[in-house]
Amino acid sequence: AQTVTQSQPEMSVQEAETVTLSCTYDTSESNYYLFWYKQPPSRQMILVIRQEAYKQQNATENRFSVNFQKAAKSFSLKISDSQLGDTAMYFCAFTSRPGGTSYGKLTFGQGTILTVHP
Amino acid sequence: DGGITQSPKYLFRKEGQNVTLSCEQNLNHDAMYWYRQDPGQGLRLIYYSQIVNDFQKGDIAEGYSVSREKKESFPLTVTSAQKNPTAFYLCASNSPYRDNSNQPQHFGDGTRLSIL
Repeated sequence: AQTVTQSQPEMSVQEAETVTLSCTYDTSESNYYLFWYKQPPSRQMILVIRQEAYKQQNATENRFSVNFQKAAKSFSLKISDSQLGDTAMYFCAFTSRPGGTSYGKLTFGQGTILTVHP
Repeated sequence: DGGITQSPKYLFRKEGQNVTLSCEQNLNHDAMYWYRQDPGQGLRLIYYSQIVNDFQKGDIAEGYSVSREKKESFPLTVTSAQKNPTAFYLCASNSPYRDNSNQPQHFGDGTRLSIL
């Protein structure tokens, strides 16, 4: 079974600064997908960024980028130019590639509460 | 607009009572999922369904039941056997086999269930 671990229960950052959220995972599979989801106080789950394990290039979406280290099974999220609207709980999640043991299902980490201060 | 609708937003359950949470999607997604979120924790998978009339247990299925009679609908029943039902419940959907690209899951706005 896959596991996802987020070791930072809470983080804070000043507006306009950069912050990095950590995520590690454990799997015996060689190809899979990783995601970061954001859950603001409204409780809606919003996809932030997605990474395919067979792609070596780190995914980037505007101010959000990842540092994917496959050998270390690490998948951190960097938020640049932090904004007040980035305040939320952030979840790292894993799923298998097609045909994998958990394809289609998401395994989530425990989450990191990020607070952006003005 | 396409999306996932969960109802009700808030639900209260009495002792010994079964309650049903509704989840409807108009995204034409094949698969649907139910997650439970406890305060300050991540999401845990209760049940999922990849096609109509078929569903599988997730990690915490005990005390819950589901049906998938229509592609658009995946209701979750919290039975009296679930002794600690107070939580936030999220429904999601995607089409994981379409284009072989593992489309990400889209989520509804959730239902908060409390016991009286």
